[in-house]
Amino acid sequence: DTGVSQDPRHKITKRGQNVTFRCDPISEHNRLYWYRQTLGQGPEFLTYFQNEAQLEKSRLLSDRFSAERPKGSFSTLEIQRTEQGDSAMYLCASSQGTIPYNEQFFGPGTRLTVL
Amino acid sequence: DAKTTQPPSMDCAEGRAANLPCNHSTISGNEYVYWYRQIHSQGPQYIIHGLKNNETNEMASLIITEDRKSSTLILPHATLRDTAVYYCIVRVHSSGTYKYIFGTGTRLKVLA
Repeated sequence: DTGVSQDPRHKITKRGQNVTFRCDPISEHNRLYWYRQTLGQGPEFLTYFQNEAQLEKSRLLSDRFSAERPKGSFSTLEIQRTEQGDSAMYLCASSQGTIPYNEQFFGPGTRLTVL
Repeated sequence: DAKTTQPPSMDCAEGRAANLPCNHSTISGNEYVYWYRQIHSQGPQYIIHGLKNNETNEMASLIITEDRKSSTLILPHATLRDTAVYYCIVRVHSSGTYKYIFGTGTRLKVLA
């Protein structure tokens, strides 16, 4: 399967714990995006990487959130001291910068539940 | 921040055309309209995109009004597998790439 993959698919944690999610983009894609989706809403942009550089962060990304893409391939999204309001689906997408229309391909998401 | 407005839900009979409207009255001249759909518990799937002209591919047709303030996604012969949430998205340029601004989507139910 050459699509975007995310791990884990589901995560249940207690309030105050730290969690980390992983995203593996399509191999030749140099751009990677994280979105958050709460129940009944469309996905909201969180952050974007071009290769290993994090070029934009949404104001939704509080200081408890950190994302990395150390070698310009996979990316991790860490949430520290989780809160119940962090419960959501976290979606990763990737795109190829040289393709004019920059279509984003989405992974299946990681569903986080904070108890 | 949302740039699109869609009806929250629609029903369509199997085999009939499904016409999903979207308003994007504040769209800028160089911003594309994209459509994605999301089937329960999966990531969004690309359908089609356009700027000014009508577009067609193997999945759907996209009709954009001349003033670009609204568009309609057409699924010509809806099947039960087309039941999903359909998102009309404006793609905006930011920090050297393009961000998707999703609305709240239309939940399409195709009825047998």
